[in-house]
Amino acid sequence: GQNIDQPTEMTATEGAIVQINCTYQTSGFNGLFWYQQHAGEAPTFLSYNVLDGLEEKGRFSSFLSRSKGYSYLLLKELQMKDSASYLCAVKNSGGYQKVTFGIGTKLQVIP
Amino acid sequence: DADVTQTPRNRITKTGKRIMLECSQTKGHDRMYWYRQDPGLGLRLIYYSFDVKDINKGEISDGYSVSRQAQAKFSLSLESAIPNQTALYFCATSEPGTGVFFGEGSRLTVL
Repeated sequence: GQNIDQPTEMTATEGAIVQINCTYQTSGFNGLFWYQQHAGEAPTFLSYNVLDGLEEKGRFSSFLSRSKGYSYLLLKELQMKDSASYLCAVKNSGGYQKVTFGIGTKLQVIP
Repeated sequence: DADVTQTPRNRITKTGKRIMLECSQTKGHDRMYWYRQDPGLGLRLIYYSFDVKDINKGEISDGYSVSRQAQAKFSLSLESAIPNQTALYFCATSEPGTGVFFGEGSRLTVL
């Protein structure tokens, strides 16, 4: 099975940097995703990490350490529109490569 | 137009009624999924299908059934709806090596 943990809520200030952590336990690992979800809307894809290290994409970066079962999403130069839930999801390495989602971290950006 | 389209987007029904949620996609992906999302519980997998002849139960399939009518169509049925099936339902698609792409969601309320 899989277990994914991430903080339930975070608050950060506009213009600042925030790091959202995710730890996971899985019987077989084949990649980790981060999604952004605004209230009442569909999750949208942000990043996909398969190998250890940092992947940077504009204001968003995602880091993975497979040996530690750990990832983080880094958001720089926060904007009010970044207020959303951020979902960590793990793809397993079984035949069906199922994707399991964490509960999500609700980020509130304040002025 | 959305790549993954769900109908209806909103539905209010009564206990015991049969409900069908439909999903169609233009991404050409073989893999399709149905998730439900509840506050505090995150996204949970109901059923998934990796091709037209392949249907698999997810973690919470009781009370639901699915039909994969074509590569592009995957419908979810509640044979006899109950109030605890009130949730936001998402259809999704994927390919090996890609993320999961979500439809806009169907909000179902069972009274």
